[in-house]
Amino acid sequence: NAGVTQTPKFRILKIGQSMTLQCTQDMNHNYMYWYRQDPGMGLKLIYYSVGAGITDKGEVPNGYNVSRSTTEDFPLRLELAAPSQTSVYFCASSYSTSGRPDTQYFGPGTRLTVL
Amino acid sequence: GQNIDQPTEMTATEGAIVQINCTYQTSGFNGLFWYQQHAGEAPTFLSYNVLDGLEEKGRFSSFLSRSKGYSYLLLKELQMKDSASYLCAALDSNYQLIWGAGTKLIIKP
Repeated sequence: NAGVTQTPKFRILKIGQSMTLQCTQDMNHNYMYWYRQDPGMGLKLIYYSVGAGITDKGEVPNGYNVSRSTTEDFPLRLELAAPSQTSVYFCASSYSTSGRPDTQYFGPGTRLTVL
Repeated sequence: GQNIDQPTEMTATEGAIVQINCTYQTSGFNGLFWYQQHAGEAPTFLSYNVLDGLEEKGRFSSFLSRSKGYSYLLLKELQMKDSASYLCAALDSNYQLIWGAGTKLIIKP
Protein backbone atom coordinates (compact mmCIF):
# COMPACT_ATOMS: atom_id res chain seq x y z
CA ASN A 1 0.00 0.00 0.00
CA ALA A 2 1.27 3.45 -0.94
CA GLY A 3 -1.07 5.04 1.62
CA VAL A 4 -1.89 8.68 0.85
CA THR A 5 -0.01 10.23 -2.05
CA GLN A 6 0.04 13.89 -3.07
CA THR A 7 1.34 15.70 -6.14
CA PRO A 8 3.12 17.97 -6.68
CA LYS A 9 5.51 18.20 -3.73
CA PHE A 10 6.44 21.79 -4.45
CA ARG A 11 4.90 24.51 -6.58
CA ILE A 12 5.35 28.22 -7.15
CA LEU A 13 2.36 30.10 -8.54
CA LYS A 14 1.90 33.67 -9.68
CA ILE A 15 -0.95 35.71 -8.27
CA GLY A 16 -4.14 34.95 -10.17
CA GLN A 17 -3.04 31.57 -11.50
CA SER A 18 -4.99 28.40 -10.83
CA MET A 19 -3.90 24.87 -10.03
CA THR A 20 -5.10 21.52 -8.75
CA LEU A 21 -3.44 19.65 -5.91
CA GLN A 22 -3.86 15.93 -6.38
CA CYS A 23 -4.52 13.44 -3.57
CA THR A 24 -4.99 9.68 -3.86
CA GLN A 25 -5.37 6.99 -1.22
CA ASP A 26 -5.32 3.22 -1.69
CA MET A 27 -6.59 2.18 1.75
CA ASN A 28 -10.29 2.21 0.77
CA HIS A 29 -10.94 4.94 3.33
CA ASN A 30 -14.30 6.65 3.06
CA TYR A 31 -13.28 9.92 4.75
CA MET A 32 -10.81 12.32 3.12
CA TYR A 33 -9.61 15.76 4.22
CA TRP A 34 -7.62 18.76 3.03
CA TYR A 35 -5.69 20.83 5.56
CA ARG A 36 -3.36 23.77 5.32
CA GLN A 37 -0.55 24.35 7.79
CA ASP A 38 1.01 27.78 8.15
CA PRO A 39 4.31 28.24 10.05
CA GLY A 40 3.78 28.05 13.82
CA MET A 41 0.09 27.36 13.41
CA GLY A 42 -2.11 24.34 13.80
CA LEU A 43 -3.67 22.46 10.92
CA LYS A 44 -6.73 24.17 9.49
CA LEU A 45 -9.41 22.11 7.76
CA ILE A 46 -10.27 23.38 4.28
CA TYR A 47 -12.71 20.75 3.00
CA TYR A 48 -13.59 17.19 3.80
CA SER A 49 -15.55 14.33 2.26
CA VAL A 50 -17.36 11.43 3.93
CA GLY A 51 -17.64 9.45 0.70
CA ALA A 52 -17.71 9.64 -3.07
CA GLY A 53 -20.00 12.42 -4.27
CA ILE A 54 -20.18 14.15 -0.86
CA THR A 55 -18.08 17.14 0.17
CA ASP A 56 -18.37 19.69 2.99
CA LYS A 57 -16.67 22.92 3.94
CA GLY A 58 -14.23 23.04 6.81
CA GLU A 59 -12.94 26.01 8.76
CA VAL A 60 -11.18 27.88 5.89
CA PRO A 61 -12.84 26.97 2.52
CA ASN A 62 -12.69 30.37 0.80
CA GLY A 63 -10.61 30.35 -2.37
CA TYR A 64 -10.71 26.57 -2.74
CA ASN A 65 -12.90 23.93 -4.32
CA VAL A 66 -12.96 20.15 -4.14
CA SER A 67 -14.61 17.18 -5.80
CA ARG A 68 -14.87 13.52 -4.86
CA SER A 69 -15.89 11.46 -7.88
CA THR A 70 -14.19 8.28 -6.65
CA THR A 71 -13.30 6.79 -3.26
CA GLU A 72 -9.59 7.07 -4.03
CA ASP A 73 -9.21 10.65 -5.30
CA PHE A 74 -9.86 14.00 -3.65
CA PRO A 75 -8.35 16.88 -5.66
CA LEU A 76 -8.16 20.42 -4.27
CA ARG A 77 -8.58 23.28 -6.73
CA LEU A 78 -7.17 26.75 -6.17
CA GLU A 79 -8.74 29.44 -8.32
CA LEU A 80 -7.12 32.88 -8.60
CA ALA A 81 -4.18 32.17 -6.29
CA ALA A 82 -3.36 34.81 -3.67
CA PRO A 83 -0.26 35.28 -1.47
CA SER A 84 -2.41 34.36 1.56
CA GLN A 85 -2.64 30.84 0.12
CA THR A 86 1.09 30.30 0.53
CA SER A 87 1.18 27.31 2.86
CA VAL A 88 1.81 23.60 3.18
CA TYR A 89 -1.20 21.55 2.14
CA PHE A 90 -1.84 18.12 3.59
CA CYS A 91 -4.34 15.57 2.40
CA ALA A 92 -5.49 12.93 4.89
CA SER A 93 -7.85 9.97 4.97
CA SER A 94 -9.56 7.86 7.60
CA TYR A 95 -12.10 5.08 7.89
CA SER A 96 -15.44 5.31 9.63
CA THR A 97 -18.30 2.85 9.94
CA SER A 98 -20.68 4.81 12.16
CA GLY A 99 -20.01 8.50 11.57
CA ARG A 100 -17.11 8.50 14.01
CA PRO A 101 -13.86 8.98 12.06
CA ASP A 102 -10.91 6.82 12.96
CA THR A 103 -7.24 7.80 12.94
CA GLN A 104 -6.29 10.10 10.09
CA TYR A 105 -3.39 9.16 7.82
CA PHE A 106 -1.57 11.98 6.09
CA GLY A 107 0.08 12.41 2.73
CA PRO A 108 3.58 13.96 2.46
CA GLY A 109 2.27 17.45 1.74
CA THR A 110 2.47 20.03 -1.04
CA ARG A 111 4.50 23.18 -0.40
CA LEU A 112 2.87 26.02 -2.29
CA THR A 113 4.25 29.53 -2.71
CA VAL A 114 2.22 32.29 -4.35
CA LEU A 115 4.24 35.28 -5.55
CA GLY B 1 -14.96 29.28 20.67
CA GLN B 2 -12.89 26.16 20.31
CA ASN B 3 -9.31 26.24 21.44
CA ILE B 4 -6.32 23.99 22.00
CA ASP B 5 -3.36 25.22 24.06
CA GLN B 6 0.05 23.62 24.23
CA PRO B 7 3.53 25.04 24.84
CA THR B 8 5.32 26.36 21.78
CA GLU B 9 8.69 24.80 22.51
CA MET B 10 10.36 22.52 25.04
CA THR B 11 13.93 21.34 25.49
CA ALA B 12 15.02 18.07 27.10
CA THR B 13 18.12 15.92 27.41
CA GLU B 14 18.73 12.61 25.68
CA GLY B 15 17.76 9.74 27.98
CA ALA B 16 15.49 11.90 30.13
CA ILE B 17 11.69 12.11 30.46
CA VAL B 18 9.53 14.96 29.16
CA GLN B 19 5.83 15.74 29.58
CA ILE B 20 4.01 17.83 26.97
CA ASN B 21 0.75 19.31 28.22
CA CYS B 22 -2.38 20.16 26.26
CA THR B 23 -5.58 21.85 27.39
CA TYR B 24 -8.66 21.96 25.22
CA GLN B 25 -11.99 23.74 24.99
CA THR B 26 -14.32 22.30 22.38
CA SER B 27 -18.03 22.17 21.65
CA GLY B 28 -18.55 18.58 22.67
CA PHE B 29 -15.73 16.09 22.99
CA ASN B 30 -15.17 12.73 21.32
CA GLY B 31 -11.56 12.05 22.13
CA LEU B 32 -8.05 13.44 21.94
CA PHE B 33 -5.26 12.60 19.53
CA TRP B 34 -1.51 13.10 19.67
CA TYR B 35 0.49 13.22 16.47
CA GLN B 36 4.23 13.52 15.85
CA GLN B 37 5.52 15.68 13.03
CA HIS B 38 9.19 15.79 12.03
CA ALA B 39 10.33 18.95 10.28
CA GLY B 40 9.21 18.99 6.66
CA GLU B 41 7.19 15.82 7.01
CA ALA B 42 3.56 14.81 7.50
CA PRO B 43 2.00 14.23 10.93
CA THR B 44 1.93 10.61 12.06
CA PHE B 45 -0.43 9.13 14.64
CA LEU B 46 0.86 8.48 18.16
CA SER B 47 -2.14 7.96 20.44
CA TYR B 48 -5.87 8.37 21.00
CA ASN B 49 -7.62 8.78 24.35
CA VAL B 50 -11.38 8.97 24.86
CA LEU B 51 -11.64 7.74 28.46
CA ASP B 52 -9.94 9.21 31.50
CA GLY B 53 -6.62 7.69 32.40
CA LEU B 54 -3.25 6.71 31.08
CA GLU B 55 -2.58 4.81 27.85
CA GLU B 56 0.91 3.39 27.56
CA LYS B 57 2.56 2.46 24.29
CA GLY B 58 6.23 1.66 24.62
CA ARG B 59 8.25 4.76 25.46
CA PHE B 60 5.22 6.99 24.87
CA SER B 61 2.21 7.39 27.18
CA SER B 62 -0.80 9.67 26.93
CA PHE B 63 -3.10 10.80 29.71
CA LEU B 64 -6.57 12.32 29.59
CA SER B 65 -8.76 14.08 32.15
CA ARG B 66 -12.12 14.94 30.56
CA SER B 67 -13.34 16.87 33.60
CA LYS B 68 -10.29 19.16 33.45
CA GLY B 69 -10.06 19.40 29.66
CA TYR B 70 -6.47 18.30 29.95
CA SER B 71 -4.12 15.80 28.37
CA TYR B 72 -0.42 15.15 28.38
CA LEU B 73 2.03 13.15 26.32
CA LEU B 74 4.86 11.54 28.27
CA LEU B 75 8.03 10.55 26.45
CA LYS B 76 10.54 8.36 28.31
CA GLU B 77 14.16 7.47 27.54
CA LEU B 78 14.38 10.30 25.06
CA GLN B 79 16.30 9.70 21.84
CA MET B 80 17.63 12.24 19.37
CA LYS B 81 15.09 11.01 16.82
CA ASP B 82 12.30 12.22 19.15
CA SER B 83 13.17 15.79 18.15
CA ALA B 84 9.95 16.82 16.40
CA SER B 85 6.76 18.77 16.87
CA TYR B 86 3.99 17.11 18.85
CA LEU B 87 0.45 18.04 17.85
CA CYS B 88 -2.53 17.77 20.16
CA ALA B 89 -5.97 17.55 18.51
CA ALA B 90 -9.44 17.21 20.04
CA LEU B 91 -12.42 15.65 18.27
CA ASP B 92 -15.46 17.89 18.72
CA SER B 93 -19.18 17.09 18.71
CA ASN B 94 -19.24 17.09 14.89
CA TYR B 95 -16.30 14.69 14.82
CA GLN B 96 -14.05 17.41 13.44
CA LEU B 97 -10.47 17.56 14.68
CA ILE B 98 -9.46 20.84 16.31
CA TRP B 99 -5.69 21.12 16.19
CA GLY B 100 -3.23 22.82 18.50
CA ALA B 101 -0.27 24.72 17.02
CA GLY B 102 2.12 22.00 18.15
CA THR B 103 4.98 21.79 20.64
CA LYS B 104 8.46 21.75 19.17
CA LEU B 105 10.59 19.38 21.23
CA ILE B 106 14.35 19.87 21.09
CA ILE B 107 16.52 17.04 22.39
CA LYS B 108 20.07 17.87 23.48
CA PRO B 109 22.85 15.28 23.90
